[in-house]
Amino acid sequence: EAGVAQSPRYKIIEKRQSVAFWCNPISGHATLYWYQQILGQGPKLLIQFQNNGVVDDSQLPKDRFSAERLKGVDSTLKIQPAKLEDSAVYLCASSSRTGGNSPLHFGNGTRLTVT
Amino acid sequence: DQQVKQNSPSLSVQEGRISILNCDYTNSMFDYFLWYKKYPAEGPTFLISISSIKDKNEDGRFTVFLNKSAKHLSLHIVPSQPGDSAVYFCAASAQYTGNQFYFGTGTSLTVIP
Repeated sequence: EAGVAQSPRYKIIEKRQSVAFWCNPISGHATLYWYQQILGQGPKLLIQFQNNGVVDDSQLPKDRFSAERLKGVDSTLKIQPAKLEDSAVYLCASSSRTGGNSPLHFGNGTRLTVT
Repeated sequence: DQQVKQNSPSLSVQEGRISILNCDYTNSMFDYFLWYKKYPAEGPTFLISISSIKDKNEDGRFTVFLNKSAKHLSLHIVPSQPGDSAVYFCAASAQYTGNQFYFGTGTSLTVIP
């Protein structure tokens, strides 16, 4: 079974620029998550999709972050404009269902550095 | 508001001995708990989980214990191996939140050969 794919692996941008990350979940996984992990902290949920609908985006800074999941498969996360405090690893995860006991499966993440 | 806490940032253990990683939580509605292992430059990898209806789950060298009254869980690794050196995150979720997972800040385990 192929894992969660993310690209790019690394990205360096200047503040106020825009950036986009891409995620392809495990085949058949209906639920997709984007997490932000700042150095020294645990992953923090940004947004959760069930198929192509948003389940939870309460912690997504909507003035600068946006995300979509087209056709309930791939997803993109965009930051525009970026701030210095957005420097973090952005992790995409998927699971086979929402609710009930189903672990998350993570990709390797995108490390973003904002200078 | 940190609902899941790992109070030990790091732990060093001799190869062959037991490693015990601890995790505390504050939300009594959490009913599913997981441990993840993370190597540098990789995403977290699912290790083991436990449902709140159990107090112990074992998978090979890894055992997770859950103490609901104390809102505490622990991961035991026996025997510890150098390849176990990684950062370990505990996570918790509650069905009423649609399976949103809350993560601790991680414990860096070093197994000394």
